Amino acid sequence: GDSVTQMEGPVTLSEEAFLTINCTYTATGYPSLFWYVQYPGEGLQLLLKATKADDKGSNKGFEATYRKETTSFHLEKGSVQVSDSAVYFCALLAGGTSYGKLTFGQGTILTVHP
Amino acid sequence: DAGVIQSPRHEVTEMGQEVTLRCKPISGHNSLFWYRQTMMRGLELLIYFNNNVPIDDSGMPEDRFSAKMPNASFSTLKIQPSEPRDSAVYFCASSLIRTSGGIDTQYFGPGTRLTVL
Repeated sequence: GDSVTQMEGPVTLSEEAFLTINCTYTATGYPSLFWYVQYPGEGLQLLLKATKADDKGSNKGFEATYRKETTSFHLEKGSVQVSDSAVYFCALLAGGTSYGKLTFGQGTILTVHP
Repeated sequence: DAGVIQSPRHEVTEMGQEVTLRCKPISGHNSLFWYRQTMMRGLELLIYFNNNVPIDDSGMPEDRFSAKMPNASFSTLKIQPSEPRDSAVYFCASSLIRTSGGIDTQYFGPGTRLTVL
């Protein structure tokens, strides 16, 4: 079945450091890929998405490129801020009849210190 | 748009009591999802509906849990009787499945934090 694997957390960085959170997936067909972010005490929010191979999703300085050859969708940001501290979830939406069901990774906790 | 609305935001109850969580999806969305989030188990999909019909309830932990969607604008998740291990944050999410085949992303509500004493 479909699955998403994220790098183990927590990740702790200093402000202005470079961020990478790895995400790899297993899926049949051609899934769409997403990164969601969850700030403390809130629900998940869509951060960015990519719907086909080689697409790059970007938002708020975050980027991720859909790499079909390596089945990956790594999240990157060049300079993190304290306000980026949150839990980040990688997810896939399978092609075909999925009714919109997402398969999530386990989440990666990011803490950014001043 | 008001987004996905969940109520109550916080619920504290005693073991054995019935708990009902409520969700109003985004207007026009036709798929609805219930999730549970705990530190130990992470984010779990419990059940999801399409056009008010339950599609997959294999994530519902046991018979004490039930969910309904009587119309396109309302869904409930009920736990009867509740137990301390049901303590978690319960999220509702909705999305739009387009007749053209495109699928909108899922939008999450703020969650209901349930504590069972």
